[in-house]
Amino acid sequence: KQEVTQIPAALSVPEGENLVLNCSFTDSAIYNLQWFRQDPGKGLTSLLLIQSSQREQTSGRLNASLDKSSGRSTLYIAASQPGDSATYLCAVHNNNAGNMLTFGGGTRLMVKP
Amino acid sequence: DAMVIQNPRYQVTQFGKPVTLSCSQTLNHNVMYWYQQKSSQAPKLLFHYYDKDFNNEADTPDNFQSRRPNTSFCFLDIRSPGLGDAAMYLCATSAGFYGYTFGSGTRLTVV
Repeated sequence: KQEVTQIPAALSVPEGENLVLNCSFTDSAIYNLQWFRQDPGKGLTSLLLIQSSQREQTSGRLNASLDKSSGRSTLYIAASQPGDSATYLCAVHNNNAGNMLTFGGGTRLMVKP
Repeated sequence: DAMVIQNPRYQVTQFGKPVTLSCSQTLNHNVMYWYQQKSSQAPKLLFHYYDKDFNNEADTPDNFQSRRPNTSFCFLDIRSPGLGDAAMYLCATSAGFYGYTFGSGTRLTVV
């Protein structure tokens, strides 16, 4: 059974810092990995999608990497801003369980002005 | 913009009174999902439709049912809401391996 772990569970940084959020998964048989952002009381917004054949994806100040063989992904946020404060969820799309997503527990990020 | 729309954003219902949450999509995705998310927890899959085929998760309570009358719409019915059913309910869609798209969610309060 796929298990997804996100470290740290919470992170507080001053504005302007570069930061890395970590995601690990136990079963490397995945189609893709997706990073989401969730603001309090809101739905999930997709940030980046990395297919299993890809190593990284970039969007603006965000860069996500994938090392499928070691079961790891990182989300790099450059020059963090207070508006980046949210919960970041990593989810893997398993290829041995139909069309299922397995979520990590999330990292709650606070960027202080 | 193509999107997933959930209505209402906030729903208050009485203990034991049936309630229906709705989801619509303009993406023409063949798979639709309902997730339940409680405070500070990851979303938990309740069930999903692959086209018209309904797939229930083993631990989804019988109190929860779903309907998908066509490709665009999907409904979540809670027959007799209990206090433990208060949560955010998220609808999502997918097609192939192109990632999931989530709606903004419906926050359900049971009084």
